[in-house]
Amino acid sequence: GESVGLHLPTLSVQEGDNSIINCAYSNSASDYFIWYKQESGKGPQFIIDIRSNMDKRQGQRVTVLLNKTVKHLSLQIAATQPGDSAVYFCADLTKAAGNKLTFGGGTRVLVKP
Amino acid sequence: KAGVTQTPRYLIKTRGQQVTLSCSPISGHRSVSWYQQTPGQGLQFLFEYFSETQRNKGNFPGRFSGRQFSNSRSEMNVSTLELGDSALYLCASSFVGGGQSNTGELFFGEGSRLTVL
Repeated sequence: GESVGLHLPTLSVQEGDNSIINCAYSNSASDYFIWYKQESGKGPQFIIDIRSNMDKRQGQRVTVLLNKTVKHLSLQIAATQPGDSAVYFCADLTKAAGNKLTFGGGTRVLVKP
Repeated sequence: KAGVTQTPRYLIKTRGQQVTLSCSPISGHRSVSWYQQTPGQGLQFLFEYFSETQRNKGNFPGRFSGRQFSNSRSEMNVSTLELGDSALYLCASSFVGGGQSNTGELFFGEGSRLTVL
C-alpha cells in the first residue's frame, strides 16, 4: 500500500452494519498480509493475518479476503460496534526480509450510534 | 504477561540534540523492530534486531541507529535531531524473528512521541 498522507480515507458506518475496508498492495512476493487496528494514543494491534497461498480467512467477527490477481486485500467486520472505531492498516510481510512490515496508509473507521 | 514497554512516552527536544528511546519486548520475544509513524509518511520501518544483531534496515539516514541487548531489550538513537524527526516511534516484538518468522503477529508498544522544536 501507499501512504495517503494527512487525509486518511474515512469509512462511516452505522452501528450494527458490516464494514469493508480495502487495501491495495504492490509486492507480489509477500508471504503474509496482515490487518492492524490503531486506536487513538495507542500502538497498532494485530487483528488477523492471511498467508499468501490463501484467499480467505475468518476470525471473530472479522474476515480477510485476498485477491492476488488484482493485488487487493479487504477486511470485513461484521456487526460493527462503537469499539471498532479506529484507524485500520493493512501490511505485508516477506519472510526473507525478516519482520519488516510494509504498511498501507490506513483507513479511519467511524461508527455512528 | 506484560506487553511491550516503551520509554519515555513523551519527550521534547530541540534541533541538533540527540535522543535515545528504549523498548522492552514481551518476555521470550527475541525480535524487536522499530517503526516511525508520522501523518505525512505513515508507518515506516526503521530496523529490526534479532539476537543482538541488526537483521534488516529501512531507508533512514545514518542518524538513526539502534542496538539490542542480551536480554532482548532494545534502544534506538537519533542524533542531530531535525524538525522532521518529530513522530511517534513504535517498537514491536515477536516470538520468532528473522527468517524463522512465519506469522505477521507483531506486538506493538504504545510508542514514544518525540517532538523536535
